[in-house]
Amino acid sequence: ETGVTQTPRHLVMGMTNKKSLKCEQHLGHNAMYWYKQSAKKPLELMFVYNFKEQTENNSVPSRFSPECPNSSHLFLHLHTLQPEDSALYLCASSQGQRGSESYNEQFFGPGTRLTVL
Amino acid sequence: AQTVTQSQPEMSVQEAETVTLSCTYDTSENNYYLFWYKQPPSRQMILVIRQEAYKQQNATENRFSVNFQKAAKSFSLKISDSQLGDTAMYFCAFMNTGTASKLTFGTGTRLQVTL
Repeated sequence: ETGVTQTPRHLVMGMTNKKSLKCEQHLGHNAMYWYKQSAKKPLELMFVYNFKEQTENNSVPSRFSPECPNSSHLFLHLHTLQPEDSALYLCASSQGQRGSESYNEQFFGPGTRLTVL
Repeated sequence: AQTVTQSQPEMSVQEAETVTLSCTYDTSENNYYLFWYKQPPSRQMILVIRQEAYKQQNATENRFSVNFQKAAKSFSLKISDSQLGDTAMYFCAFMNTGTASKLTFGTGTRLQVTL
């Protein structure tokens, strides 16, 4: 596997289910991101992890719970979701941020298409 | 807060022709980056081109070039000699150098390249 991979690619779940999305990067990066992509809306940044530390939580509801056990893996745990949470969830990674002025290109995974019934 | 606006939800261009996608943004910052990302139907988003705000020269990457107008806060993407593989969603994005990890995206333009 190369680049950024995400599993599963498609997920259908009921509002009372608990599920997890997985992201893995094979690029040696130290920063990872979760984005939500809904139809006709801009991509929304959800969470950022930099060297395994969460540095950004963009006012995401608590029914979304991220976990970053190491620099290569990022999870998004889902519980009691709502139908409006149905979207494409994209993971990305980049070199870790050591300073606020630096730019590091983000590489995206293919996404998980989530449908909440 | 920064905003990015793409006013063209859909565009179509014939193969080998040139097309320009529009993007405007709003910021009070002086130093920032601007990007165009491409998301083909397979969904993997890839970076097409990047522009640093402090550089006056417009960025180019092969058939892709930008027209960066800092005073007008405009950042359009020109695709020359369009190819069928250019069919995709194109997203304009902004990044403030003070928060280097935070990308703000526009709503995207769906480009269809036809024969």
